[in-house]
Amino acid sequence: AQSVDQPDAHVTLSEGASLELRCSYSYSAAPYLFWYVQYPGQSLQFLLKYITGDTVVKGTKGFEAEFRKSNSSFNLKKSPAHWSDSAKYFCALPYYNQGKLIFGQGTKLSIKP
Amino acid sequence: NSKVIQTPRYLVKGQGQKAKMRCIPEKGHPVVFWYQQNKNNEFKFLINFQNQEVLQQIDMTEKRFSAECPSNSPCSLEIQSSEAGDSALYLCASSYRGKDEQYFGPGTRLTVL
Repeated sequence: AQSVDQPDAHVTLSEGASLELRCSYSYSAAPYLFWYVQYPGQSLQFLLKYITGDTVVKGTKGFEAEFRKSNSSFNLKKSPAHWSDSAKYFCALPYYNQGKLIFGQGTKLSIKP
Repeated sequence: NSKVIQTPRYLVKGQGQKAKMRCIPEKGHPVVFWYQQNKNNEFKFLINFQNQEVLQQIDMTEKRFSAECPSNSPCSLEIQSSEAGDSALYLCASSYRGKDEQYFGPGTRLTVL
């Protein structure tokens, strides 16, 4: 079965620090992977995706993510972090690379000014 | 920025009442998804369409949920007899293909009293 795991429910950092939000997945084939962000009271915004090829993918708002097949991870990164990055972040995997998204539990990121 | 339109933004119903929400996908996106996000930020896939046809759906054994995406009209999700447990944020998303990133609307927040 497919699954996505975000082991850190909360991450708190100071502004200017580097952030890395962890995501691991379970899927027997080559995955498609996405990151979304949800600001308080808002819907989901697409940040970036991995399909194939380069293991580091860049997205919007200065974010990038690194795909590592060796440990089935797709971690989100940004440096430096800004207070406006405070939000909940979701990693997702499309069901057998098509169709419904399987979401991780989400990581709530808090950036202290 | 997503151009998925959802109406209404807020919906308040009494138990047993019908609740209907609508979604206009991004132009050129034939694939439409409905998700339910509960207060614990957990996502539940409900149904998806390609053009007017259902691709996947949850087990509708309760038969309280129905959805359609008619040609040249907004897609809709209807709960026939609302229950307190249906209180959630209902998200509509669209994509060009099932495996592509999905773009989400602002959601309809349903409160069942």
